[in-house]
Amino acid sequence: KNEVEQSPQNLTAQEGEFITINCSYSVGISALHWLQQHPGGGIVSLFMLSSGKKKHGRLIATINIQEKHSSLHITASHPRDSAVYICAVHLNTGTASKLTFGTGTRLQVTL
Amino acid sequence: NAGVTQTPKFRILKIGQSMTLQCTQDMNHNYMYWYRQDPGMGLKLIYYSVGAGITDKGEVPNGYNVSRSTTEDFPLRLELAAPSQTSVYFCASNTRRVVGELFFGEGSRLTVL
Repeated sequence: KNEVEQSPQNLTAQEGEFITINCSYSVGISALHWLQQHPGGGIVSLFMLSSGKKKHGRLIATINIQEKHSSLHITASHPRDSAVYICAVHLNTGTASKLTFGTGTRLQVTL
Repeated sequence: NAGVTQTPKFRILKIGQSMTLQCTQDMNHNYMYWYRQDPGMGLKLIYYSVGAGITDKGEVPNGYNVSRSTTEDFPLRLELAAPSQTSVYFCASNTRRVVGELFFGEGSRLTVL
């Protein structure tokens, strides 16, 4: 079983829809990252959080440490949001090597 | 503001050839990482460095070598390329070991035939 599980694997939405991507992890963590990867492009950090909630524009990230779960929400989705969204966690070992990645959620937003 | 710069973006190698992927960051970050991304898999750590002169193995180091002679540069060397090393490689950096925003390069797509 992967230490980081994302759902869904693939998601298609129409422009304007509210989108939720989920990330569950199985062990204690120090922090969690949400990353965005556009087709053929690099990876950009969206959020880093260790508790509560963060908001940036139309993106909202939440984390529940007790339930070992995080969600990424996109409000009023737009075709330019089409990308792969990756969850990554810093495990509680405290070493630089222990950053574990999910396999990503591929989002397609259509007109 | 360059951030993390990787070269080359694309490369085709023959089995047994060698090459170096270059990675440079201009943010004075201590921590640098090399990851590989295979289809359907999460990124896997190859090597990392916590500062100039210090490197360590990640999850999948076999077939690779690194060096960190300066804070800015963290090249990844493939000595005897194998088809299993066909992948997309990402260099990344951050300021703090545990909690710090990650900055990634654009990626290098390597094919070994």
